[in-house]
Amino acid sequence: SQTIHQWPATLVQPVGSPLSLECTVEGTSNPNLYWYRQAAGRGLQLLFYSVGIGQISSEVPQNLSASRPQDRQFILSSKKLLLSDSGFYLCAWSKVLEAFFGQGTRLTVV
Amino acid sequence: AQSVTQLDSQVPVFEEAPVELRCNYSSSVSVYLFWYVQYPNQGLQLLLKYLSGSTLVKGINGFEAEFNKSQTSFHLRKPSVHISDTAEYFCAAYGSSNTGKLIFGQGTTLQVKP
Repeated sequence: SQTIHQWPATLVQPVGSPLSLECTVEGTSNPNLYWYRQAAGRGLQLLFYSVGIGQISSEVPQNLSASRPQDRQFILSSKKLLLSDSGFYLCAWSKVLEAFFGQGTRLTVV
Repeated sequence: AQSVTQLDSQVPVFEEAPVELRCNYSSSVSVYLFWYVQYPNQGLQLLLKYLSGSTLVKGINGFEAEFNKSQTSFHLRKPSVHISDTAEYFCAAYGSSNTGKLIFGQGTTLQVKP
């Protein structure tokens, strides 16, 4: 069966520090991969999606970047965090349309 | 622009009452439509999906949704809600020209009161 791992579950980082959130998928190959951010009262915002290794589409200009170094690995990064980067980050994968989500990372930038 | 719109940010309802959560989609998204539920501090779980065929789709936990092409809507319904249905609900669709892009509505918080 397929599973998705996202870590860490919670993270508190100072302003200006770097960020790396990792997501891996097991039990499938060549999935579509997604990073979403959920800020209070603002729904689910698509940040990046990838349809293959090294193929990243960015939806919102911002302080973040994404990479897909392996077929089932998706990484969300920042060189310098801003206060506005705080939120709940969700990784997801899809294949044949249905999407499956990780448990999320609560990021607090202080 | 591609969009999915959930018309209500919050829906309060008493236990055992019926509920409808509204979702409209733009003509520029595909008609692959989904409803997801999110419990506090968790990821999203699929409730139901419409890909083709019958316009009335039944999902888990007694929820159902009806695809209405003429009104570009995909409203979620449940005839009798429980306290445990309190959660945030998201409507979603893929971009019409890009089935790699999955977009969500703003979410609707369902608050079930005793």
